[in-house]
Amino acid sequence: DTEVTQTPKHLVMGMTNKKSLKCEQHMGHRAMYWYKQKAKKPPELMFVYSYEKLSINESVPSRFSPECPNSSLLNLHLHALQPEDSALYLCASSQEWAQGSPLHFGNGTRLTVT
Amino acid sequence: KQEVTQIPAALSVPEGENLVLNCSFTDSAIYNLQWFRQDPGKGLTSLLLIQSSQREQTSGRLNASLDKSSGRSTLYIAASQPGDSATYLCAVRSGANNLFFGTGTRLTVIP
Repeated sequence: DTEVTQTPKHLVMGMTNKKSLKCEQHMGHRAMYWYKQKAKKPPELMFVYSYEKLSINESVPSRFSPECPNSSLLNLHLHALQPEDSALYLCASSQEWAQGSPLHFGNGTRLTVT
Repeated sequence: KQEVTQIPAALSVPEGENLVLNCSFTDSAIYNLQWFRQDPGKGLTSLLLIQSSQREQTSGRLNASLDKSSGRSTLYIAASQPGDSATYLCAVRSGANNLFFGTGTRLTVIP
């Protein structure tokens, strides 16, 4: 069982909907990440939070809005998405945003935009 | 920018065989290298982490080696089992502390 929990597991939304993806960890990790993975492709980094502050935004469109309410929670707010945004969205955490800290991934949210 | 390549893209072996998966990276200035396993439609499970100062790591039937100077890592799986069937990804931490993923090797172990 993964120690990073993501909800929901599956999400279908229309292009005018607003929805949120949630991620939770209770390992005391201070860095949290959002990745996007298209079919048969490696994960691509979207955002990094370190000590609840946004540290990296990999030029992600504004229709994706991350939020880190506390050290255990990470949200990804979705609005006005496009069909090409359909993908597996993975959350990860690590002890620190430091070079030696391994990443722990959740099972992801499978998002379909219709 | 760091580029990570995995060969082969797909591999099919009979149960019980030992096998080697390869990972190469273009920039040898790395902090660490991590091997993951991904089952279809699932998240990533960390298998082994090798720090830049280390040469290898072992966990059960898995052994990962790192040759930083040549930009290569291998994942050795001993006595393969059908349950080992999955996609294996290597990822390198380098540059601005980002994690760069390889394209993965899809392994099928035939009973």
